[in-house]
Amino acid sequence: NAGVTQTPKFRILKIGQSMTLQCTQDMNHNYMYWYRQDPGMGLKLIYYSVGAGITDKGEVPNGYNVSRSTTEDFPLRLELAAPSQTSVYFCASRSNYGYTFGSGTRLTVV
Amino acid sequence: DQQVKQNSPSLSVQEGRISILNCDYTNSMFDYFLWYKKYPAEGPTFLISISSIKDKNEDGRFTVFLNKSAKHLSLHIVPSQPGDSAVYFCAASAPNAGGTSYGKLTFGQGTILTVHP
Repeated sequence: NAGVTQTPKFRILKIGQSMTLQCTQDMNHNYMYWYRQDPGMGLKLIYYSVGAGITDKGEVPNGYNVSRSTTEDFPLRLELAAPSQTSVYFCASRSNYGYTFGSGTRLTVV
Repeated sequence: DQQVKQNSPSLSVQEGRISILNCDYTNSMFDYFLWYKKYPAEGPTFLISISSIKDKNEDGRFTVFLNKSAKHLSLHIVPSQPGDSAVYFCAASAPNAGGTSYGKLTFGQGTILTVHP
C-alpha cells in the first residue's frame, strides 16, 4: 500500500545542473500530476498526464520536462536548474475516488 | 491572476470551538471544490469536497458550504481539536472546453490553522 512515492526527499543543486525527480504510484491510476509549492503560496500545476504516453503542460511548465512511458512512473526533469526552481515538488495521482499526493521533494538551487 | 484565494493566512481557535476557513474564487467555470489538509513534510491529504450542484456537504466534524452566487466556500470544523492544527488548502477544478475534466486543480495559498488546547 505504498501509494505515491517520490524520490529523493531532499536535494541541493547548483545552478545549471540537471536532475530528475522520480514519482511512482502503485494504484494503477491513469491521471498523474506534478505540482510545485513555493513558500506562502498554493500548489501550482507544472505538468500532468492522462495516461501512458500522454502528457500536457500545466500552469508553470517552463524549465521542466516530463515523460510517461508506463502507468506507474511519471518523472519530472529539470535540465538547467535555476534559483527560481527552488521549491517543494509534489507528485499526485487520481482515481474516480480522489487524489493521492506523495510526500514531496524539497529542492534547493544555489 | 489568483483564481482561488484564501485571504486569511492564519487562524487560531480554542479546542472545542468552531473553526471556519474561507475561500473565494473568480473562475465561474469551476465545478468541483476540495479541501486539503497538510502537515509539515507531508503531502496534502484530502479532507472533503463539494460539487457545484450542491451547497453543502458534511462528513463528521467537517462541513463545506458553497455559495455560487458569491463565489465563496467555507470549511467548518466542529468541534476543533489540537490534531486539526495544519495548513488547509482550498482547491478547485473546471472542465475543459470539451466538457471533460482532467482533474487539474487550482489551489489557494493556504490557511494555517492552530487549535489551542
